[in-house]
Amino acid sequence: DAGVTQSPTHLIKTRGQQVTLRCSPKSGHDTVSWYQQALGQGPQFIFQYYEEEERQRGNFPDRFSGHQFPNYSSELNVNALLLGDSALYLCASSFLDKAGVNTEAFFGQGTRLTVV
Amino acid sequence: KQEVTQIPAALSVPEGENLVLNCSFTDSAIYNLQWFRQDPGKGLTSLLLIQSSQREQTSGRLNASLDKSSGRSTLYIAASQPGDSATYLCAVAGANSKLTFGKGITLSVRP
Repeated sequence: DAGVTQSPTHLIKTRGQQVTLRCSPKSGHDTVSWYQQALGQGPQFIFQYYEEEERQRGNFPDRFSGHQFPNYSSELNVNALLLGDSALYLCASSFLDKAGVNTEAFFGQGTRLTVV
Repeated sequence: KQEVTQIPAALSVPEGENLVLNCSFTDSAIYNLQWFRQDPGKGLTSLLLIQSSQREQTSGRLNASLDKSSGRSTLYIAASQPGDSATYLCAVAGANSKLTFGKGITLSVRP
């Protein structure tokens, strides 16, 4: 089991550009969540995808959007990049149990995005 | 709004010491609590998951406890080793399943 995999591992973009980050969940998991972690801070929830739909969203602007594919993999897109978008972007996968609650979350190694 | 606090922000201990890392949260209506380890510049490694109905979980030298009513969790590390040096994050999951994290405790274990 490869666990949660993210690509790319590092990325440098120019202010105003657009970026797409990718995530493949752990085998057997159907839910993907994205988090942004600024230096020295805890991860902040961006949004969560289940059954190809955005299930819930954190306090992030519409410049942040996502998608989940039928194979449960997911993309995070950020438009009109700002310097403040520089962070470690983490993807987490889990599955929804019978009670409708997500089980233990497993995280990927993250994508380090630098906006210059 | 759920808030998670981890104090202190950093801790330095000599090798072999038993230590306790604390986590507090403001809303006791949680579904579970997870402790994670993060090495510099890396992703998060799940250490322990405690369901809201449980009081504690153990894995090797690690033991985590949960007191939901008081909004507290502790991670106990026995016989600390230099390889335990990392940042330890706690996160709580509410009914909407999103994780709310603390800022983490950066642990340094001196040889």
